[in-house]
Amino acid sequence: DAGVIQSPRHEVTEMGQEVTLRCKPISGHDYLFWYRQTMMRGLELLIYFNNNVPIDDSGMPEDRFSAKMPNASFSTLKIQPSEPRDSAVYFCASSYNLNRNQPQHFGDGTRLSIL
Amino acid sequence: GQQLNQSPQSMFIQEGEDVSMNCTSSSIFNTWLWYKQDPGEGPVLLIALYKAGELTSNGRLTAQFGITRKDSFLNISASIPSDVGIYFCAGQTPYNFNKFYFGSGTKLNVKP
Repeated sequence: DAGVIQSPRHEVTEMGQEVTLRCKPISGHDYLFWYRQTMMRGLELLIYFNNNVPIDDSGMPEDRFSAKMPNASFSTLKIQPSEPRDSAVYFCASSYNLNRNQPQHFGDGTRLSIL
Repeated sequence: GQQLNQSPQSMFIQEGEDVSMNCTSSSIFNTWLWYKQDPGEGPVLLIALYKAGELTSNGRLTAQFGITRKDSFLNISASIPSDVGIYFCAGQTPYNFNKFYFGSGTKLNVKP
């Protein structure tokens, strides 16, 4: 079975540029999560969707961050304009149904470096 | 916000030794999960626990959901070099089952 697929795996760009990270969840999973991982703060939940609808975006750090899920098989996380402090590994995860205690499955992440 | 304290932060052990790490929370959880993250990859689920007192094994790994519902531990027996990685606990509270909270990780180093 295909797992959660993220692209790109690595992104290096200059500050001020727009960055778009992509995620394809596991087919049939109703929930999609975006996390950010840094040495200082560990894994932080940014936003999650249920059936393509954003449910909780309280973890999104600033208005420069936005996320969309136009359909059940695709989501994007956008940073515009990017800043060096946005450098981190961004993970996408999906799960079948939180109410049934279904754990999250993670993609391999996008390592983002803002110069 | 919710605090998950994971310890130890890092461990250096000899191949063949047993390993134990744990997580504690400031409030009760109704789910505990243990993940392993290899360098350059995402966390991979090892064990999921859904009931207080539950003891679950996955090969050489054993995890328990604490009776108080505020802690969990993970044991690895007879460690091998491929056990190297970062182990994360994660939990879900009954107050907000839409969120999982993650510990800061235990970095395991195994010397052959």
